[in-house]
Amino acid sequence: DSGVTQTPKHLITATGQRVTLRCSPRSGDLSVYWYQQSLDQGLQFLIQYYNGEERAKGNILERFSAQQFPDLHSELNLSSLELGDSALYFCASSVEDPDTQYFGPGTRLTVL
Amino acid sequence: AQSVTQPDIHITVSEGASLELRCNYSYGATPYLFWYVQSPGQGLQLLLKYFSGDTLVQGIKGFEAEFKRSQSSFNLRKPSVHWSDAAEYFCAVGASYGGSQGNLIFGKGTKLSVKP
Repeated sequence: DSGVTQTPKHLITATGQRVTLRCSPRSGDLSVYWYQQSLDQGLQFLIQYYNGEERAKGNILERFSAQQFPDLHSELNLSSLELGDSALYFCASSVEDPDTQYFGPGTRLTVL
Repeated sequence: AQSVTQPDIHITVSEGASLELRCNYSYGATPYLFWYVQSPGQGLQLLLKYFSGDTLVQGIKGFEAEFKRSQSSFNLRKPSVHWSDAAEYFCAVGASYGGSQGNLIFGKGTKLSVKP
């Protein structure tokens, strides 16, 4: 157990819908990262927050957004969902930046 | 651009045999390097990391890796594989996006199967 929690574990929804994935970092970790894992693209970095502020963006679609709240938990919002958004979404956290990232168990999103 | 290459998509070894998983990276500066393992349906578990210093790093579960700057490699090794090591292994490099150096770029992974 890494200490990073993610909810929900599984999410099944329809095209065009909007979902919110939640991540609670390890206690004391200031930085939160979101990654997407799919069969065709592999593991890709989406976005990073550090102590409430966006720090870096990777291959994140405009339909996706994220935020980090004052208690340091983070949410990833995915809207206008398409079939191709079906993937495993991981959250990771670290104390500092750069630093070792610890990954949560992931949220498996299925878009039908 | 930064990149990580894991040339072997799938490797099968016998239980008790030695293991080496290859990783090559492309990065302009001194990289931060990691190996993670993912069991089916699970998240990513950190095996070991290299930030600086001794180029041979020890990790959990008896794994080690050696950073070779001249070869841009960070290969993972284990002297004797156990059936429970069957999983997918990912090499990653810490990259620069904007002001951060912490975002990871992952290789495509190597799936390890262990024969009894």
